[in-house]
Amino acid sequence: GENVEQHPSTLSVQEGDSAVIKCTYSDSASNYFPWYKQELGKRPQLIIDIRSNVGEKKDQRIAVTLNKTAKHFSLHITETQPEDSAVYFCAASNALTGGGNKLTFGTGTQLKVEL
Amino acid sequence: DAGVIQSPRHEVTEMGQEVTLRCKPISGHNSLFWYRQTMMRGLELLIYFNNNVPIDDSGMPEDRFSAKMPNASFSTLKIQPSEPRDSAVYFCASSPPAGFSHEQYFGPGTRLTVT
Repeated sequence: GENVEQHPSTLSVQEGDSAVIKCTYSDSASNYFPWYKQELGKRPQLIIDIRSNVGEKKDQRIAVTLNKTAKHFSLHITETQPEDSAVYFCAASNALTGGGNKLTFGTGTQLKVEL
Repeated sequence: DAGVIQSPRHEVTEMGQEVTLRCKPISGHNSLFWYRQTMMRGLELLIYFNNNVPIDDSGMPEDRFSAKMPNASFSTLKIQPSEPRDSAVYFCASSPPAGFSHEQYFGPGTRLTVT
């Protein structure tokens, strides 16, 4: 089955700096890669996703890049703000198969944005 | 739509007791997922259903855990008998049919404490 590794487990940045979180996956059939943000005591929520037919996607201050050959993808947050402090999870899935969209999650990155 | 609804939000029970967690997915979604989240093991997929049929239950820890989805708008996760190591936050998530968004929408979670 799929295995997703995520690094770093904790990340501390100064407000306004950039943050980068990296993930690798093992199953070359995976084709859908979402990122979820989970604030303390809250539910995970999707912030951005990318499919294997594109290499990069941006949404305001966040961007995700995908390298299919190397089987890794990254989340980039620019101009970080205190409200970006949360746990971020990457995930991978083979979204073309039938029977739903099973996600395999990474272990999470605790991002702290310091004033 | 009210989003994914879970009940109860908090559950405290004694070891050996039966625990039933409930989930109502978003109307129109045809996939439903049960996750368990702990500090040690992160976010684990326990089981998921597609069109009310269990597709993958390989994440269910042991026979003490069972899940059902009798119709498109209701699912239960039962633990019998419960043990202290079952203490965790249990999330239910749902996603729309293939061809639409692949996003999984998480419920608010049930915080289970087994003493």
